[in-house]
Amino acid sequence: EPEVTQTPSHQVTQMGQEVILRCVPISNHLYFYWYRQILGQKVEFLVSFYNNEISEKSEIFDDQFSVERPDGSNFTLKIRSTKLEDSAMYFCASADRGKEKLFFGSGTQLSVL
Amino acid sequence: GESVGLHLPTLSVQEGDNSIINCAYSNSASDYFIWYKQESGKGPQFIIDIRSNMDKRQGQRVTVLLNKTVKHLSLQIAATQPGDSAVYFCAENTGAGGSYIPTFGRGTSLIVHP
Repeated sequence: EPEVTQTPSHQVTQMGQEVILRCVPISNHLYFYWYRQILGQKVEFLVSFYNNEISEKSEIFDDQFSVERPDGSNFTLKIRSTKLEDSAMYFCASADRGKEKLFFGSGTQLSVL
Repeated sequence: GESVGLHLPTLSVQEGDNSIINCAYSNSASDYFIWYKQESGKGPQFIIDIRSNMDKRQGQRVTVLLNKTVKHLSLQIAATQPGDSAVYFCAENTGAGGSYIPTFGRGTSLIVHP
């Protein structure tokens, strides 16, 4: 069964550093998402992406965040200057033309020290 | 603000019992709801969905019930198995303009004892 792949599975970084989280969505999907989950809390929406542009974003997704689909397969989330509170599990998700059913990756655990 | 929330943070059941996980939502305009299962170390996995024009939908061993009058959603799992142990999230669509943005509640941890 096709799946969303995220790399790395764990990322440790120093506060103020830039990080790029990578995702390979399911190949024929058209809609792409980033969510995050702080330990023990609910899964929070960050951003959705369709047709090479951001469709919607939450208040969490401020100027420190950006997304990119640099080629036909990868979807990346960049955090320019990480803060301690950015420590969380970051999930990528994708959906096909039907939009409704999101497939999530296994996540990247980001630890900011 | 309007939000999706869960009544019970933890539910413990015996293997073979039926499980019921509840969820309350406050946005009366919500028209689409989804249940996700999250196993340890994995991302959320779609289980079942329901639109607001329905009050019940059945899948394999799972049933979702929607009561729009009291804005309540439940997930019923029949003959619960150890493999059902996970955190279950209800989510409502909060997307605008025809988009689908699942907004998750806090989650209920289901523990199945053999």
